[in-house]
Amino acid sequence: QVQLVQSGAEVKKPGASVKVSCKASGYSFTSYDINWVRQATGQGLEWMGWMNPKSGNTGYAQKFQGRVTLTRNTSISTAYMELSSLRSEDTAVYYCANSVRGYHWNAFDIWGQGTMVTVSS
Amino acid sequence: SYELTQPPSVSVSPGQTARITCSGDALPKHYAYWYQQKPGQAPVLVIYKDTERPSGIPERFSGSSSGTTVTLTISGVQAEDEADYYCQSADSSGIKVFGGGTKLTVL
Repeated sequence: QVQLVQSGAEVKKPGASVKVSCKASGYSFTSYDINWVRQATGQGLEWMGWMNPKSGNTGYAQKFQGRVTLTRNTSISTAYMELSSLRSEDTAVYYCANSVRGYHWNAFDIWGQGTMVTVSS
Repeated sequence: SYELTQPPSVSVSPGQTARITCSGDALPKHYAYWYQQKPGQAPVLVIYKDTERPSGIPERFSGSSSGTTVTLTISGVQAEDEADYYCQSADSSGIKVFGGGTKLTVL
């Protein structure tokens, strides 16, 4: 079945970087953009950016410009989100999501299970 | 970038109708989407393109749009509908934004 499976929880020190993976299965990986959304504990959803897996084109929320990098490895149907210069405020659950079910290209109809990233000294 | 504004909380009794609004200047030009999120779970799409309901979503969930405001309506609210609800939209370049979220409490 169609699913996005993310890598496991991470604990990082301030100033470090983290790279979260999102493995797609059950559909053609290059056919649908992958988006990344994060959620701090008790807070709302925050969109970070999108990537077209076929072209590698990306778009980022202004807040994360210069600090987040979205990449992919098409041979293993996996997308990556790397966030650098981590600070405590980056502690959050990070989700990948896309529109593979086809309702609308801007609607996130499938989500990964989430990856908890903790930034602590 | 633009903003979407939601009320922090809405409370209703079981069987009543809950209405959750989302306001934003760009909404007349761009579709809105709604997500339901229960504690410890990933969000679930419940409305897309302002008014459309994905398969598997109960008919009691509906969406509407008027000017700069979109509304998620849950008719005959059930206890299982207690959750956080988020609106979302996107501009022409693919930049997306979420509203701040609304906590629906079923009394």
